[in-house]
Amino acid sequence: NAGVTQTPKFQVLKTGQSMTLQCAQDMNHNSMYWYRQDPGMGLRLIYYSASEGTTDKGEVPNGYNVSRLNKREFSLRLESAAPSQTSVYFCGTFSAPYEQYFGPGTRLTVT
Amino acid sequence: TQLLEQSPQFLSIQEGENLTVYCNSSSVFSSLQWYRQEPGEGPVLLVTVVTGGEVKKLKRLTFQFGDARKDSSLHITAAQPGDTGLYLCAGRYGQNFVFGPGTRLSVLP
Repeated sequence: NAGVTQTPKFQVLKTGQSMTLQCAQDMNHNSMYWYRQDPGMGLRLIYYSASEGTTDKGEVPNGYNVSRLNKREFSLRLESAAPSQTSVYFCGTFSAPYEQYFGPGTRLTVT
Repeated sequence: TQLLEQSPQFLSIQEGENLTVYCNSSSVFSSLQWYRQEPGEGPVLLVTVVTGGEVKKLKRLTFQFGDARKDSSLHITAAQPGDTGLYLCAGRYGQNFVFGPGTRLSVLP
């Protein structure tokens, strides 16, 4: 039982390059989230998916796209990376009524 | 826009001391959560408080939700080096959560 897994753990991109961050969960939860964490700012919601086949924008969606491939997987894509997207990205799941679980994070640097 | 503030931003104390950290907002939340995050890892849920005025205890940690459900506090008794980490509060609104910026606690042996 791995919980929430994220790949890769670290990534360095040049400005303008694209990449996809992968997230998978084995807890059979319907809701999944993508957050970014920057120093002094806590976690900010990028996109969320309340169930398979649905996605919605969060607080900071610009420059990102997501895909809820199935119940287990929720990916985050950066089409044209910018230095402002340097951050630590966390995937999370939610189990009603109150449990929220997070993966170990992907540390992304855009140069 | 719901916003959560946390204070203090940084706290460094000696082992055995007591401390309280705060989470405040002008918004009402249906529930509020506290997490601890260690370097290189994701946040780990400590507790969820739901009812205004609610107090929950988890060993040496005591969590309180304000009567108006806009604020919360975390009190640690006799802090230990293992309590070191970033403490985050998160308020739930609708299906989503808003996080505070965190209090970074360092407990020195």
